[in-house]
Amino acid sequence: SQQGEEDPQALSIQEGENATMNCSYKTSINNLQWYRQNSGRGLVHLILIRSNEREKHSGRLRVTLDTSKKSSSLLITASRAADTASYFCATDAGAAGNKLTFGGGTRVLVKP
Amino acid sequence: DGGITQSPKYLFRKEGQNVTLSCEQNLNHDAMYWYRQDPGQGLRLIYYSQIVNDFQKGDIAEGYSVSREKKESFPLTVTSAQKNPTAFYLCASSIFTGAINYGYTFGSGTRLTVV
Repeated sequence: SQQGEEDPQALSIQEGENATMNCSYKTSINNLQWYRQNSGRGLVHLILIRSNEREKHSGRLRVTLDTSKKSSSLLITASRAADTASYFCATDAGAAGNKLTFGGGTRVLVKP
Repeated sequence: DGGITQSPKYLFRKEGQNVTLSCEQNLNHDAMYWYRQDPGQGLRLIYYSQIVNDFQKGDIAEGYSVSREKKESFPLTVTSAQKNPTAFYLCASSIFTGAINYGYTFGSGTRLTVV
């Protein structure tokens, strides 16, 4: 089952612009995480936001979490061509085995 | 360098064959996971293991089997019972706290194709 659903499914922007993607989920969570996947590669952990946090920053990344709406957003500022990748949200709902549930991802294309 | 290694990178399977995908980690992580990713899709959990000699089915375990004889290793066998095995397989590991997941480390994946 997929807990998180990303929106939009795909995004195309010019280098230097900001990219925003959203994630909605269904059940209560301990935390929500964002991952990046370059084409044909494994996923890389970007940032984790706990359920009692509302906003978190890491470099050019800004993540918000609204637990009342069960949604999160990832903002990439001043995008670069190297940011071209798929981005996935994953939720930790305190399930057995510390399992994460991933959404379908947002494919981001940053044009030089 | 600590990390998680999947092999092979590409694997071709004939109809009716069983194949085994390797996953090894030297991060001293207790928990390991196998996910399947279809083109343009998210990840679906196949199996996971919290400790040695113990593993649990995920959402799509049918046609797959695993073992966890060593902490470092969590091989996945795709059996002939798996009707549509062509996919990208990802192995991950994490510190197991019993309560909170602090994030996965992923391998670079194995692309399996049925020929």
